[in-house]
Amino acid sequence: DTAVSQTPKYLVTQMGNDKSIKCEQNLGHDTMYWYKQDSKKFLKIMFSYNNKELIINETVPNRFSPKSPDKAHLNLHINSLELGDSAVYFCASSYRGETNIQYFGAGTRLSVL
Amino acid sequence: QQQVKQSPQSLIVQKGGISIINCAYENTAFDYFPWYQQFPGKGPALLIAIRPDVSEKKEGRFTISFNKSAKQFSLHIMDSQPGDSATYFCAASIRGTYKYIFGTGTRLKVLA
Repeated sequence: DTAVSQTPKYLVTQMGNDKSIKCEQNLGHDTMYWYKQDSKKFLKIMFSYNNKELIINETVPNRFSPKSPDKAHLNLHINSLELGDSAVYFCASSYRGETNIQYFGAGTRLSVL
Repeated sequence: QQQVKQSPQSLIVQKGGISIINCAYENTAFDYFPWYQQFPGKGPALLIAIRPDVSEKKEGRFTISFNKSAKQFSLHIMDSQPGDSATYFCAASIRGTYKYIFGTGTRLKVLA
């Protein structure tokens, strides 16, 4: 059983399109995250939800909108895709606690043409 | 103050050698320092972590050394193996919060 699963694994689309990435975790965690990893491998936090409440909202264009229907799911919708959005997007989850160990999904590679 | 500086950017080591990756931070409020390992096409996975109340933590061939006064910590991989070839990220966090600040990553290649 995959602990943190993301779909799709690959996403190729044209500029200007709208796309969504879905994430589900079966670890019983209460916090979920979206990270962006650029071509230089730099990992940057975008959003985080704790019990469906947005708790981290970094400086991200408002074309990106996260949605958490429940504690086990966190989706990312991107409007009007731009070339610079091409990256690998990782979902992660954790349980609020002392160490807050984050468990990552396998990533979604988004290519905007 | 929120940055974590990581070096080197890339590292090539012979099989059986020692790989050393260094990280430095400024924010003294950080009190949890994990290292993540990422293989190509996979997500990062926790390798080992340390709190600042200890100066060293060892798990198998992996050791974190922590220097609180210098605000530096490092990962040592003893007897490096080709299977250790991956990208390694240090991170820093404040206990009880949700946010990790990741270093910029080190691509390690271990030659057979």
